[in-house]
Amino acid sequence: NAGVMQNPRHLVRRRGQEARLRCSPMKGHSHVYWYRQLPEEGLKFMVYLQKENIIDESGMPKERFSAEFPKEGPSILRIQQVVRGDSAAYFCASSPFSPRQRYEQYFGPGTRLTVT
Amino acid sequence: AQTVTQSQPEMSVQEAETVTLSCTYDTSESDYYLFWYKQPPSRQMILVIRQEAYKQQNATENRFSVNFQKAAKSFSLKISDSQLGDAAMYFCASNTGNQFYFGTGTSLTVIP
Repeated sequence: NAGVMQNPRHLVRRRGQEARLRCSPMKGHSHVYWYRQLPEEGLKFMVYLQKENIIDESGMPKERFSAEFPKEGPSILRIQQVVRGDSAAYFCASSPFSPRQRYEQYFGPGTRLTVT
Repeated sequence: AQTVTQSQPEMSVQEAETVTLSCTYDTSESDYYLFWYKQPPSRQMILVIRQEAYKQQNATENRFSVNFQKAAKSFSLKISDSQLGDAAMYFCASNTGNQFYFGTGTSLTVIP
């Protein structure tokens, strides 16, 4: 059973460009989470999605950021008009159960976004 | 909102010795889980151990064990017989509701 896959592993964008980060959850997992890790900090929750639904986006900036988890295909985190402050590692995690069932999340290797 | 606090930014331990990493948390929930994750230089987040809040018995996974003090909201990680491969960032985390809450991490160095 392959783990959580994220691509690309490294992404360089110039200010003002768009960044698209992809996450394929583990097989059988329908719950996906995105986190951001700034240098020297822990992971900060951004958004929680189930198939075709955003359940909780309370950690995601209101502007320029969006996320989706379509019925088919990977989950996508999109950052429009990137700025230097968006440079960070973005982690995706998946789980077979809802958070209310208190199961651990399995993390992908992360995408390191660098904005120049 | 929940908070998770790791007050030790850096720790070091001699190979084969024991080290304890501290974590405190704050929650108003009665039902929650606690976790320790390891992040080596590869940046992959690896689950080390988890503890259900309703269980009084401390979780143990081989050389890793926790000291869970529910009343004090403390959740420390003990690593016995430290190995060079244990060197990494360690994050304490809790989950309630839809979110995981992470501490800021403790960087563990293992001295040969």
